[in-house]
Amino acid sequence: KAGVTQTPRYLIKTRGQQVTLSCSPISGHRSVSWYQQTPGQGLQFLFEYFSETQRNKGNFPGRFSGRQFSNSRSEMNVSTLELGDSALYLCASSLRGYFGETQYFGPGTRLLVL
Amino acid sequence: EDKVVQSPLSLVVHEGDTVTLNCSYEVTNFRSLLWYKQEKKAPTFLFMLTSSGIEKKSGRLSSILDKKELFSILNITATQTGDSAVYLCAVGPANQAGTALIFGKGTTLSVSS
Repeated sequence: KAGVTQTPRYLIKTRGQQVTLSCSPISGHRSVSWYQQTPGQGLQFLFEYFSETQRNKGNFPGRFSGRQFSNSRSEMNVSTLELGDSALYLCASSLRGYFGETQYFGPGTRLLVL
Repeated sequence: EDKVVQSPLSLVVHEGDTVTLNCSYEVTNFRSLLWYKQEKKAPTFLFMLTSSGIEKKSGRLSSILDKKELFSILNITATQTGDSAVYLCAVGPANQAGTALIFGKGTTLSVSS
């Protein structure tokens, strides 16, 4: 079974631009969560999608948004990029996002904002 | 504010040593505590703990949760160079739907041969 895939793997943008990252969950998984990982703050939860609906949201500004498609693939978008948005963005999938289910992480997208 | 604190932040040991990693938490309506290992990019799942005092084991790794004192430990016995990684502790609060996790900043373990 293929794991969680994320594209692109690396990205360089400049301040003020916007970026879209993609995540394909494991086949059959319907819950997709997004996390931001930085050396200073560690891993922080961004949001979770299930059945095309955002079910939960972390404490990030509105510049961070996402969506999920009917095939469970998910995208996240960051508008008006800031230097502090440079990070590793990880997505994780699970069957239904229920308590007790394991989340499987993708390899991440490394975003560098110049 | 919910938080998860891991200690030590980094650790250097020799092959064969036993290490104990610590994780303490302050979370509203605790639901579960998870341990992950992150070597290069993707964190890989190790354990999920929900009940106090019950040890989970997998080979040389084991973990236990103390819900009264709000902490967990991850033990690794007979360490190998392949155990070198960042170990992440995460807590799932019960008042959040889905899979939202609050992570600690991790413990970086380096095992030298």
